[in-house]
Parts: sequence; structure tokens; C-alpha cells
Amino acid sequence: QKEVEQNSGPLSVPEGAIASLNCTYSDRGSQSFFWYRQYSGKSPELIMSIYSNGDKEDGRFTAQLNKASQYVSLLIRDSQPSDSATYLCAVSEDDSWGKLQFGAGTQVVVTP
Amino acid sequence: DVKVTQSSRYLVKRTGEKVFLECVQDMDHENMFWYRQDPGLGLRLIYFSYDVKMKEKGDIPEGYSVSREKKERFSLILESASTNQTSMYLCASSLRGQGQAFFGQGTRLTVV
Repeated sequence: QKEVEQNSGPLSVPEGAIASLNCTYSDRGSQSFFWYRQYSGKSPELIMSIYSNGDKEDGRFTAQLNKASQYVSLLIRDSQPSDSATYLCAVSEDDSWGKLQFGAGTQVVVTP
Repeated sequence: DVKVTQSSRYLVKRTGEKVFLECVQDMDHENMFWYRQDPGLGLRLIYFSYDVKMKEKGDIPEGYSVSREKKERFSLILESASTNQTSMYLCASSLRGQGQAFFGQGTRLTVV
């Protein structure tokens, strides 16, 4: 069974601080990695994708990938109350079919 | 703008009923998916389809079937609803060759 593991949280972060979220995956054949944000009662929305080792930055978000360690992370800089949500890590083995394996999510709470 | 639309936001059905959940996407995506989301378990793949009339089982297909007669429409069928199928159901679609999936707004199904 392929697994994607995340700490469930909640991760409490002061406003303006950096939130650091971690994700590990079991399938070494995984090719694509995604972070989704899900507000309570809403559906997931894609915020970051990363395909190669290293860092990828988009605004206040940075995704980091280390395939050797089977580890992907998400940093949220200058955290805002609107960042309070559950963050889902998703991993894809084969982009043709696009099957995603999701972690259970990390709840982030940004406190003013 | 990307659009995946699910036919209902909330549904209440009785045990033993046949239930249809409909999903339509307007992005000409080849891949379509049905997930269910339960607290602490994350998103689990029920079925997916990579082309019209093609379907593949996901991780938890038991008690479900699907239909894809047109490219834009993917239906999930609960043959005989049971209380353990009470859940949030999420439809998603993606373009072949691109792993990132776009989600509908979700259907919260309660089976009583």
C-alpha cells in the first residue's frame, strides 16, 4: 500500500511567522508532488506543484523536494490568518492517468 | 476559468437506496476521479476514468460503480446505500500528462 504521511496538527503559527509543513511518501517511483489547501467545508485547491529536487517558490509559498529522502515540504512565509486551513500533500506516480495519493492533511492555525 | 461542478452540495438518502452523484467538467480533461474524504483518513480514491467509457478501480471501489458516457461527465453510483457510505464525495479532473487535479465543490452525503 502506497502511503503519504503528514502530521495532523494542529500546527499553531503566530501571524507573520513561517509555517513549516512536512510530508513523506513511500513510493520511490513517484514523479509529481502537489500541495493543496482546503478551507473548512470547502474542496481542495492547488497551491503548489513540484517535480524535481530542490526548492520552488511562488509568492509566500516555497515547496521543497528531496526524492532521495522521499520527503516534500511546504513553507509559508509571513503567515496570515487567511492561511488557516488544512494543507494536503499529494503524490502522483504517473501523470498520464493522474492518480493522486493524498496524505491526511496538516491543520494550520495562524493566531493574530 | 477551470470548472468542475457536482450536481448537489448536500444529499440525504435512506439505507438501500440507489444514489447517483453527478460531476461535469468544462475543461476538456481526459482524466476524471471520484474521491471520498473522511476525518483523519484524508482523500481516498474510489474510481477514476482516463477516457470515455473507460474506468479503473481506485483504493476503495467496493459498493460503488461509475459511468462515463461523455468526456465531460463522470457519475458515481451507490448501488445500495449504506450508513458507512456517509461521507464527503469529491470529484476531480486533470489533463492527461499533467498530474495536477482540479476539484468540484464536493457533495456531503448522509445515509440514514
